[in-house]
Amino acid sequence: DVKVTQSSRYLVKRTGEKVFLECVQDMDHENMFWYRQDPGLGLRLIYFSYDVKMKEKGDIPEGYSVSREKKERFSLILESASTNQTSMYLCASSFSGGSNQPQHFGDGTRLSIL
Amino acid sequence: DQQVKQNSPSLSVQEGRISILNCDYTNSMFDYFLWYKKYPAEGPTFLISISSIKDKNEDGRFTVFLNKSAKHLSLHIVPSQPGDSAVYFCAASRVTSGTYKYIFGTGTRLKVLA
Repeated sequence: DVKVTQSSRYLVKRTGEKVFLECVQDMDHENMFWYRQDPGLGLRLIYFSYDVKMKEKGDIPEGYSVSREKKERFSLILESASTNQTSMYLCASSFSGGSNQPQHFGDGTRLSIL
Repeated sequence: DQQVKQNSPSLSVQEGRISILNCDYTNSMFDYFLWYKKYPAEGPTFLISISSIKDKNEDGRFTVFLNKSAKHLSLHIVPSQPGDSAVYFCAASRVTSGTYKYIFGTGTRLKVLA
């Protein structure tokens, strides 16, 4: 069974802090994704990576960066946290090979910025 | 611009009856559509998918219908069970610059009443 593990379920940080959200998958998936989920807005793609050290911006990359030094690990970085980044963050992974590959999600990190 | 829309934020259905969840999209370049189910405090899990070259896909109690001319897909759950109570997201994917991206709808909260 595919396992996508996000390092924290709940996180509280202060405005201006640099925040790291970590995600690890154990299925040797090429693709990894970071989303945020907000009420009434669904899941919105922040960044994705289709290979080690490769990254592409999603729909809402402003205020975020990512790092993928190893295939199994994809980190989301909030360079200087702001209150509008309070949200549920979801990491996902999938095999490459076509748009028919479903994504496997972690259980999410609920991040609060005070 | 919301390319994938789920216009019903919530739906209540009696146990044993049919649940119909709807999804509309605007981009005719989408080539694959997926449905995910999400329980509280868990990540979304893949439920069923359909290729744009088909108009129906069935998996047990779950059937997805695709009407390309109307740019509309629906998920039918028959019979509905209390354990089906969750938020359902539809997603559409397409290849962009050699990689593929998923666009998610805003979700429909299904409540199956015992």
